[in-house]
Amino acid sequence: EVQLVESGGGLVQPGRSLRLSCTASGFTFGDYAMSWVRQAPGKGLEWVGFIRSKAYGGTTEYAASVKGRFTISRDDSKSIAYLQMNSLKTEDTAVYYCTRDALTVVPYYYYYYMDVWGKGTTVTVSS
Amino acid sequence: SYELTQPPSVSVSPGQTASITCSGDKLGDKYACWYQQKPGQSPVLVIYQDSKRPSGIPERFSGSNSGNTATLTISGTQAMDEADYYCQAWDSNRRVFGGGTKLTVL
Repeated sequence: EVQLVESGGGLVQPGRSLRLSCTASGFTFGDYAMSWVRQAPGKGLEWVGFIRSKAYGGTTEYAASVKGRFTISRDDSKSIAYLQMNSLKTEDTAVYYCTRDALTVVPYYYYYYMDVWGKGTTVTVSS
Repeated sequence: SYELTQPPSVSVSPGQTASITCSGDKLGDKYACWYQQKPGQSPVLVIYQDSKRPSGIPERFSGSNSGNTATLTISGTQAMDEADYYCQAWDSNRRVFGGGTKLTVL
């Protein structure tokens, strides 16, 4: 069974750091890009960022709201994706979902879509 | 920055067809996908690349995208389809979500 399990959430003070982990199972982790998406209480979905597979450079993209503060990385040997969150703000309070990105090659570019989601981990930033 | 606009809510009677729109500048030049989220659950992909259904998604879910509008259509809507629906597209290597539409089946 394909599964993503997030961990590492909790209560943290503004300005501090937190690292989330996403442990994958049931598929060849290294073949896929991975993303993080968050959802503030009672709000909609917000994309956080994305890391390509090593075959496509292993490069990352980030939402403007977190660029420079958050870093996504991956350890293919452990099938884990990470979200390092620094300089946390109260507005970062949300459920953080890890997702698997499936890839379709279409004319002129690579199209990614999130086909598997984890159950999420809650991050609360408060003093 | 690129924006996707969805109606906050849509209502439909059981067995009828529900249409949820997603508007963005030249959205038809991009690919749209749709996610369903039921209360207390993680989102589920229901349509990708404008009109493709992942395995396990019922045939009553379909999608289209042209001009400035992508549309998710649910034919023969069932009570179990009541949920929040989010459209999403890529713009300049950034994923963008619509604000979400609450579908009520009554």
